[in-house]
Amino acid sequence: AQKITQTQPGMFVQEKEAVTLDCTYDTSDPSYGLFWYKQPSSGEMIFLIYQGSYDQQNATEGRYSLNFQKARKSANLVISASQLGDSAMYFCAMRGYFGTGTSLTVIP
Amino acid sequence: DSGVTQTPKHLITATGQRVTLRCSPRSGDLSVYWYQQSLDQGLQFLIQYYNGEERAKGNILERFSAQQFPDLHSELNLSSLELGDSALYFCASSPRSPLSPTDTQYFGPGTRLTVL
Repeated sequence: AQKITQTQPGMFVQEKEAVTLDCTYDTSDPSYGLFWYKQPSSGEMIFLIYQGSYDQQNATEGRYSLNFQKARKSANLVISASQLGDSAMYFCAMRGYFGTGTSLTVIP
Repeated sequence: DSGVTQTPKHLITATGQRVTLRCSPRSGDLSVYWYQQSLDQGLQFLIQYYNGEERAKGNILERFSAQQFPDLHSELNLSSLELGDSALYFCASSPRSPLSPTDTQYFGPGTRLTVL
């Protein structure tokens, strides 16, 4: 079975600064994918970024990047140049298993 | 817009009743997943269908059932509703085989169910 752990219930970041949201996982599968989703207060779940376990490079998607450390089983999301619209819940997921989420608040 | 549609957006009903939630996946996607998101349980995987067949089951109660139709839309049926069933129910879809661990799931806007 898979397990996803997000240990930061809430985070604050100053506008235009970078922030890292932590995610650790546990799996016995040799091949897997890690996903990050954003859930704004309006409720929808928005796919942000994907990292495959065999990918040689860390995934990047615009201002989002993944700090993937396979040996440590961590896949931290880095948001650069934070914007007010980044305030939301962020979920790390693998194979349909979701972490408990991190609430990010961007301060003007 | 993810391309996944869910109806209705909001649903208010009473305990003991039965409701049906509907989901249409993105064009071309064969897999449909159902999730329940509540304040105390977080986001929980309920069930997955692939091309009309059930492929994986999560924490789905016996009072709940789902199916995927030949046109690939899916319905989640919730019966004998209890107060604790109040939650946001998401449908997600993905294109490839359900065995692929790298398949991205795209979520619909959700149905907010309130049981009074």
